[in-house]
Amino acid sequence: QVQLKESGPELVKPSETLSLTCTVSGGSFSAYYWTWIRQPAGKGLEWIGRIYPTGNTDYNLSLKSRVTMSVDTSNNQFSLTLTSVTAADTAVYYCARDVPGAIDAFDIWGQGTMVNVSS
Amino acid sequence: QSVLTQPPSASGTPGQRVTISCSVSSSNIGRSTVSWYQHLPGTAPKLLIYWNNQRPSGVPDRFSGSKSDTSASLAISGLQSEDEGDYYCATWDDSLNGRVFGGGTKLTVL
Repeated sequence: QVQLKESGPELVKPSETLSLTCTVSGGSFSAYYWTWIRQPAGKGLEWIGRIYPTGNTDYNLSLKSRVTMSVDTSNNQFSLTLTSVTAADTAVYYCARDVPGAIDAFDIWGQGTMVNVSS
Repeated sequence: QSVLTQPPSASGTPGQRVTISCSVSSSNIGRSTVSWYQHLPGTAPKLLIYWNNQRPSGVPDRFSGSKSDTSASLAISGLQSEDEGDYYCATWDDSLNGRVFGGGTKLTVL
């Protein structure tokens, strides 16, 4: 049974860099896209971007200038870096598996991790 | 502004059938398929429908999806109190080269 788990600091200061890691366990890592999605309090879901284990990425155009995703295939992990954060980046951050074509959807999600941007 | 537009709220009584719409405003959706997610309080979102109308294993057949050229719909029959939560549609947008979500619909079971 595939499981995803997010990890990283719960508090980040304004103007600093948010870094999160998602660990994938219980299944194949190399055959899927891996995605970050966030939800600010009281708002809807926002797709941040995705990475393939080869390193190919697609990013939300509205965040592209601040987002970097990376992958560690030896540890079945992928990471999100978001620079120059503001209070608007306060949200629950989810990692998820993206299966284009076969399902064309996010079929497995992590539990989410709350990140607060505050001084 | 989302290329996928959902009503902010929907409601129904137990046992009733409710439908949530997802209007597509961009021609760049093209042949992309629509998926639907259920987000209950305090839990991670859950895939309900993929490929417009397919249910993953374990999703009750009370949930069904459909899609036309300009909109998609999620129908929930035999409404139950535990269905109360937020529902999101999503698709791939070629012009944005990315996934997009609708704004979400809050379902209340009266």
